[in-house]
Amino acid sequence: SQQGEEDPQALSIQEGENATMNCSYKTSINNLQWYRQNSGRGLVHLILIRSNEREKHSGRLRVTLDTSKKSSSLLITASRAADTASYFCATSPPDSNYQLIWGAGTKLIIKP
Amino acid sequence: DGGITQSPKYLFRKEGQNVTLSCEQNLNHDAMYWYRQDPGQGLRLIYYSQIVNDFQKGDIAEGYSVSREKKESFPLTVTSAQKNPTAFYLCASSSAGGRTEAFFGQGTRLTVV
Repeated sequence: SQQGEEDPQALSIQEGENATMNCSYKTSINNLQWYRQNSGRGLVHLILIRSNEREKHSGRLRVTLDTSKKSSSLLITASRAADTASYFCATSPPDSNYQLIWGAGTKLIIKP
Repeated sequence: DGGITQSPKYLFRKEGQNVTLSCEQNLNHDAMYWYRQDPGQGLRLIYYSQIVNDFQKGDIAEGYSVSREKKESFPLTVTSAQKNPTAFYLCASSSAGGRTEAFFGQGTRLTVV
């Protein structure tokens, strides 16, 4: 029951450039979360944005949420080689307190 | 040093065998989850537990079983009924389910030999 769809599936940019990833979803949400996964490792939480919020920042990360378009974007500014990873969005549906619904992820490669 | 620990990191299963993956957390979280991840794919929910002695099937529970006898522990057994068990298994916990961030273990890579 995957709801989130990340776009693009893969992204390769030069170090120092900005990286933008998008997530679209189908139904209403309580919140949307972004996670990072380094190859062969567990996921690490990046940002949680609630349905009544439009934008959040954390260091070099900026997340926007447009509930009218059912979409979110994750911007990483001044990318570094260490940002190379897969990035996933997950949505929390309002009718379930305990579930997260995951997209297939965007694989980001930062070229030195 | 709080966190969530999965073991083993690598596991090999012979045909017809049951194997158990361990997941322990010391974050005092009520909610715990097991996910399966196949190469290049997102996470699919196997089972989740909201409180001790209670658990619910996820999207792909067939061939798997769990228990939640202690708040800290949520082991997953991959039974012989799971015909395609080779995958990366991730355990997670959270204080308030999907309402808060999830913390993940480092994963167990299971391979059928």
